[in-house]
Amino acid sequence: DTAVSQTPKYLVTQMGNDKSIKCEQNLGHDTMYWYKQDSKKFLKIMFSYNNKELIINETVPNRFSPKSPDKAHLNLHINSLELGDSAVYFCASSLGSGRATQYFGPGTRLLVL
Amino acid sequence: QQQVKQSPQSLIVQKGGISIINCAYENTAFDYFPWYQQFPGKGPALLIAIRPDVSEKKEGRFTISFNKSAKQFSLHIMDSQPGDSATYFCAINAGNMLTFGGGTRLMVKP
Repeated sequence: DTAVSQTPKYLVTQMGNDKSIKCEQNLGHDTMYWYKQDSKKFLKIMFSYNNKELIINETVPNRFSPKSPDKAHLNLHINSLELGDSAVYFCASSLGSGRATQYFGPGTRLLVL
Repeated sequence: QQQVKQSPQSLIVQKGGISIINCAYENTAFDYFPWYQQFPGKGPALLIAIRPDVSEKKEGRFTISFNKSAKQFSLHIMDSQPGDSATYFCAINAGNMLTFGGGTRLMVKP
């Protein structure tokens, strides 16, 4: 059973395009996250949603827009893709926040050419 | 954003040896210190975590040591195995947000 799933797994696109990444969790969690992992493996939080409401928005360009249609889904739309957006994007979820264990998805590898 | 500094960036250990990874943080307003393990091509997964009111926590071959006065915590992997080869991240929690260290790539040689 897949706990946190992301689609697509790989995404190769041209600069300037718009793309979306989808995330779904079947753990019954109420909090979901988007992280960006760069080529040096540095992992940084981008957004966090709790019960479909945005609670964390870390200095991310406006080109990135998260959307949570329900507690089990958190999508990430990226407009006008830039070379620097190339990274692995991880979705995660937890039951509550703070000390709650975060469960990560397998990642979406985005390459902008 | 509060920072957590992790060292070393990479570590090579012989099978059966002890792997030690260190993290230092800057602020005392944190209440949870987890370690995550990430295998190539996979997402990070929680390995072990400690609260600041405890100085040590052990789970199998993995031990976290926490030094509140020095603002440091470390992960010890005893009897390291090739299957432990992965990237390890320490993290600090403040409120609703985890901040991760830069990661340590561990390679355990057979």
